[in-house]
Amino acid sequence: KAGVTQTPRYLIKTRGQQVTLSCSPISGHRSVSWYQQTPGQGLQFLFEYFSETQRNKGNFPGRFSGRQFSNSRSEMNVSTLELGDSALYLCASSRGTGDNQPQHFGDGTRLSIL
Amino acid sequence: GESVGLHLPTLSVQEGDNSIINCAYSNSASDYFIWYKQESGKGPQFIIDIRSNMDKRQGQRVTVLLNKTVKHLSLQIAATQPGDSAVYFCAENMNYGKLTFGQGTILTVHP
Repeated sequence: KAGVTQTPRYLIKTRGQQVTLSCSPISGHRSVSWYQQTPGQGLQFLFEYFSETQRNKGNFPGRFSGRQFSNSRSEMNVSTLELGDSALYLCASSRGTGDNQPQHFGDGTRLSIL
Repeated sequence: GESVGLHLPTLSVQEGDNSIINCAYSNSASDYFIWYKQESGKGPQFIIDIRSNMDKRQGQRVTVLLNKTVKHLSLQIAATQPGDSAVYFCAENMNYGKLTFGQGTILTVHP
């Protein structure tokens, strides 16, 4: 079965712009989590959605937001981009219910801010 | 705590050797742990997981050990191969969909 799909793979923006990243989870998975990966800070949790509701949020400013649609696909948006937002943005999906289940990751969107 | 990643630990081994990668986790209340492998240009790939009611779990060529007393995880890879070269992360499950990652370890396997 198809894995987690993230689009686009690469994106170049300038400071002050906004960006929307997309994630399609594994079929049947209802939980989608987003992470930011940078060389300096490693992998950091942004937020998690389940059944169109945000259940958990990390320590990022309000410029970072997300949403989930009824088909479990998710988007994240970053507004007023800053140079420090350059990173690999990863999406992961899991069933999201019952006992702990592993999150499975996509290959990410590489965002570069000029 | 949050992951920091300025200087990753490195482990270099010869092909065929066994590798052991260690990880300390932060929260004694964490009840689920996962090891991931990340190759260049790709997202983290699930390797093996373990729940806090276990102290050992085996997969194909991999074993994870959990020591809750000292909050320590290890990943053992048997007969390491060049294709195992990657960055390895441990992650602890905090609550809904939130994984907290270790800093990662770079594994290099020499043929």
